[in-house]
Amino acid sequence: SQTIHQWPATLVQPVGSPLSLECTVEGTSNPNLYWYRQAAGRGLQLLFYSVGIGQISSEVPQNLSASRPQDRQFILSSKKLLLSDSGFYLCAWSVRGVGELFFGEGSRLTVL
Amino acid sequence: DQQVKQNSPSLSVQEGRISILNCDYTNSMFDYFLWYKKYPAEGPTFLISISSIKDKNEDGRFTVFLNKSAKHLSLHIVPSQPGDSAVYFCAASSVSGGGADGLTFGKGTHLIIQP
Repeated sequence: SQTIHQWPATLVQPVGSPLSLECTVEGTSNPNLYWYRQAAGRGLQLLFYSVGIGQISSEVPQNLSASRPQDRQFILSSKKLLLSDSGFYLCAWSVRGVGELFFGEGSRLTVL
Repeated sequence: DQQVKQNSPSLSVQEGRISILNCDYTNSMFDYFLWYKKYPAEGPTFLISISSIKDKNEDGRFTVFLNKSAKHLSLHIVPSQPGDSAVYFCAASSVSGGGADGLTFGKGTHLIIQP
């Protein structure tokens, strides 16, 4: 069966510090991968998606970047965090051509 | 521009009664619709979906209705149980367009089931 894991689960970082959130999927090949953010009162906002290794599409201009160094690994990064980067970050995967997404457990980021 | 709208931030329903959560969309390219359930500090979990070729899909206590002409869908939960208390997200996708760009979500409705 397929599983998705992301870490760390909780992170408290000072403004201006770097960020790295990791996500891995097991039990499937060639998944589409996604990073979403849930900010207070704003629902789930798509940040990045990837259809293959090294292929990243960005949905919104922001202070963050994403990379896919391996087929089932997706990384969310920032060089310098802003207060507005605080939120609940969710990694997800899907089978190509199918609409349903499967989400990880989420990572709570607090920038102080 | 919000393409998927859930206009009720919260909804309170008595245990045993019917819960009806509503969702509207604006993008005519959407052809696949989903409902997710989310507890605090957890990832959303898939609940039920419906393709645009159908107007109803049922799974146990959960039924989703789609009105394409009105660009409206709703989730019915009957009977409502305390464990149903959670945030429910409506989501939409253009599967015929490949679907690679993921799902577009509404802002969610916080359902509270009163004992």
